[in-house]
Amino acid sequence: AQKITQTQPGMFVQEKEAVTLDCTYDTSDPSYGLFWYKQPSSGEMIFLIYQGSYDQQNATEGRYSLNFQKARKSANLVISASQLGDSAMYFCAMRENDMRFGAGTRLTVKP
Amino acid sequence: EAQVTQNPRYLITVTGKKLTVTCSQNMNHEYMSWYRQDPGLGLRQIYYSMNVEVTDKGDVPEGYKVSRKEKRNFPLILESPSPNQTSLYFCASSHRDSSPLHFGNGTRLTVT
Repeated sequence: AQKITQTQPGMFVQEKEAVTLDCTYDTSDPSYGLFWYKQPSSGEMIFLIYQGSYDQQNATEGRYSLNFQKARKSANLVISASQLGDSAMYFCAMRENDMRFGAGTRLTVKP
Repeated sequence: EAQVTQNPRYLITVTGKKLTVTCSQNMNHEYMSWYRQDPGLGLRQIYYSMNVEVTDKGDVPEGYKVSRKEKRNFPLILESPSPNQTSLYFCASSHRDSSPLHFGNGTRLTVT
């Protein structure tokens, strides 16, 4: 069964600095997708970024980038120039047929 | 507007009283899924459906039932709720490819 691990229950970052949220996964399927979602305190789930297992380039979406290291089975999320509004829970997820999630990392951006 | 609609948003019930949480999507998505979210455990998958009349167990299916009679609807049924099913529940849907999930707004269930 696929498994997603987020080892950082909580992270702090200073406003305007960059932060990396870790995610490792385990799968034997060569075809899969990796996703990151943000959950602010209001509770909704917001899709941030996607990386396919066959994609050669790391995915980027504005201030979000995904550091994809396939051999190490890691898919870390990098947020550049952190803003106060980035304070939220962040979930890594992997999709083979169905989508499974990690336990999440709570990010707090300090002014 | 493209959306996943869950109802109710909040529900307080008592042990053993059957309940259904509805989920409907208007995007013609093949894939639908239910998750429960508990502190420190992230989102754990309860059941998922790859298409009409096809459902599969996720990681925590015990105590739950689902059905997928129509493409747009995927209700979650708790036949005999227990306090350990107190949680925040999310329904989600997507196409069956690499598309991201669209989530409902969540249902906060309390079982006393």
